[in-house]
Amino acid sequence: GNSVTQMEGPVTLSEEAFLTINCTYTATGYPSLFWYVQYPGEGLQLLLKATKADDKGSNKGFEATYRKETTSFHLEKGSVQVSDSAVYFCALSDSSASKIIFGSGTRLSIRP
Amino acid sequence: SAVISQKPSRDICQRGTSLTIQCQVDSQVTMMFWYRQQPGQSLTLIATANQGSEATYESGFVIDKFPISRPNLTFSTLTVSNMSPEDSSIYLCSASGRGNEQFFGPGTRLTVL
Repeated sequence: GNSVTQMEGPVTLSEEAFLTINCTYTATGYPSLFWYVQYPGEGLQLLLKATKADDKGSNKGFEATYRKETTSFHLEKGSVQVSDSAVYFCALSDSSASKIIFGSGTRLSIRP
Repeated sequence: SAVISQKPSRDICQRGTSLTIQCQVDSQVTMMFWYRQQPGQSLTLIATANQGSEATYESGFVIDKFPISRPNLTFSTLTVSNMSPEDSSIYLCSASGRGNEQFFGPGTRLTVL
């Protein structure tokens, strides 16, 4: 079945550091891929998405590229801020099922 | 994107009671979903709610424990019945977007004593 595996947390970085959170997936067909962010005490927000191979999703300085050959969708940001502290979820959607499958989440903490 | 609100935002309940959570979307959507997020965990899908038909439950979740209503294309409710402390979680509703993404409400934080 479909599944998502993402980098274990927590991840702690200093402000302005480079961020990578790894995400790999297993799926049949051509899923859509997402990154969601959950700030403390809030629901999930869609951060970015990609719907086909080699697509790059981007938002708020974050980027992720849909790599079909490596079945990966790693999240990157060149210079993190304290306000980026949150839990990040990688996810995929199989269009035939209309369901979203979430990874386990990675807690990110940014030190000033 | 859809804007989703949930009520209540949080509640503390006694074991054996039931709580109904409301989810309102600001536009008509085909599919709505209910998730449970236990402390420090990822999201687990409880059921998919389609208007005009019974909800479809995931393995491990049953209608008697989590009855769902979907009376129209903008509203759904989830009831957590006969609660126990193990039901203490965040309950989130979501609505489908045009590109297979889902948009989430702020969640209902439930504590059962």
